Amino acid sequence: AQSVTQPDIHITVSEGASLELRCNYSYGATPYLFWYVQSPGQGLQLLLKYFSGDTLVQGIKGFEAEFKRSQSSFNLRKPSVHWSDAAEYFCAVGAVNRDDKIIFGKGTRLHILP
Amino acid sequence: GAGVSQSPRYKVAKRGQDVALRCDPISGHVSLFWYQQALGQGPEFLTYFQNEAQLDKSGLPSDRFFAERPEGSVSTLKIQRTQQEDSAVYLCASSQGQGLSEAFFGQGTRLTVV
Repeated sequence: AQSVTQPDIHITVSEGASLELRCNYSYGATPYLFWYVQSPGQGLQLLLKYFSGDTLVQGIKGFEAEFKRSQSSFNLRKPSVHWSDAAEYFCAVGAVNRDDKIIFGKGTRLHILP
Repeated sequence: GAGVSQSPRYKVAKRGQDVALRCDPISGHVSLFWYQQALGQGPEFLTYFQNEAQLDKSGLPSDRFFAERPEGSVSTLKIQRTQQEDSAVYLCASSQGQGLSEAFFGQGTRLTVV
């Protein structure tokens, strides 16, 4: 079955500290992988995506993610968070070369301490 | 248009009332998706259109939910005889390719059934 697991419901970090949000997926086909961010009252904004090639992908706002096929993981990282990064983060997966939907994890809410 | 536009942004319906939610995708985008996001949850897939064809409606929770995209552009999600469990944010997304590629999301319609 297709699924995305984000094990951490809430994460709190201090401003300026590093961040890693975990994501594991289960998918029968070669996956497309995404991270989206959702601020309160806003729609989903794409941070980055992985389709193929270099397994370390760079995104907007200083975020990066690394695809590890052996671990079925696609963790999101940022070396130094800013107060404006406080939001809900969603990992998502879809299928390569198929007309198909994106499946989302339940999200991780990021809190930033001043 | 510049982005995916959804209307209304907020809708309060009395239980049993019918509602219609509108999505204007990015001009020229072939694919259109509807998602339902309950409070504190990740988006759940409802249905998918490729142009005017509804290729996947497996996520629609009941026969009270109906979606259409008659001219392959604007889409409407209709919910008949609304129930309290229908309260959620309904997100629309569009993408340029046939099926999955980078999907752009609207800000959503928050439906509250009282």
